[in-house]
Amino acid sequence: DGGITQSPKYLFRKEGQNVTLSCEQNLNHDAMYWYRQDPGQGLRLIYYSQIVNDFQKGDIAEGYSVSREKKESFPLTVTSAQKNPTAFYLCASSGDRETDTQYFGPGTRLTVL
Amino acid sequence: GQNIDQPTEMTATEGAIVQINCTYQTSGFNGLFWYQQHAGEAPTFLSYNVLDGLEEKGRFSSFLSRSKGYSYLLLKELQMKDSASYLCASMDSNYQLIWGAGTKLIIKP
Repeated sequence: DGGITQSPKYLFRKEGQNVTLSCEQNLNHDAMYWYRQDPGQGLRLIYYSQIVNDFQKGDIAEGYSVSREKKESFPLTVTSAQKNPTAFYLCASSGDRETDTQYFGPGTRLTVL
Repeated sequence: GQNIDQPTEMTATEGAIVQINCTYQTSGFNGLFWYQQHAGEAPTFLSYNVLDGLEEKGRFSSFLSRSKGYSYLLLKELQMKDSASYLCASMDSNYQLIWGAGTKLIIKP
């Protein structure tokens, strides 16, 4: 089955630790995205990538980093510089950023203690 | 600034019809999306409108008025499984999706 996978579903970390969230897709999509979802707010874009080895900052990139070494994979690292990292993180992909619908993975709920 | 407004919560009865409204103000416009999101799960795509008018897809329909910056999602023959949040998102001139906070729909038997 084609789709987007994110792991793990739930993640707990101590304050001050970096943590990497996994996102893999087998849809052969060029574009991939990371969003953050907080209660009472719309999804906010952290980073996006239109093609391998290229990525762009979204609206709230501070304290986060990404890489896009393979078409299928777009991992997100939440660094200790992110002031309020506890949130629901959603990865999405689309065939083309300008013309195609974004499809989402199941999400990772990160809790920083 | 860019802004998407939709009601925070709505309640409807099983078997009835409900309309969820969305108004948008974005820098440029490249289409309006509706997604459904059950609690703790991923958003799933419902509809896309870029031209004025009504798009019907089974029990769900979506309407767009570009001149008014307005869209609605119409859900007919409501079922208990339709209890979810419905997210409205406008694609701006940079092809970025600007998201509303979502409308939580509660279906009562």
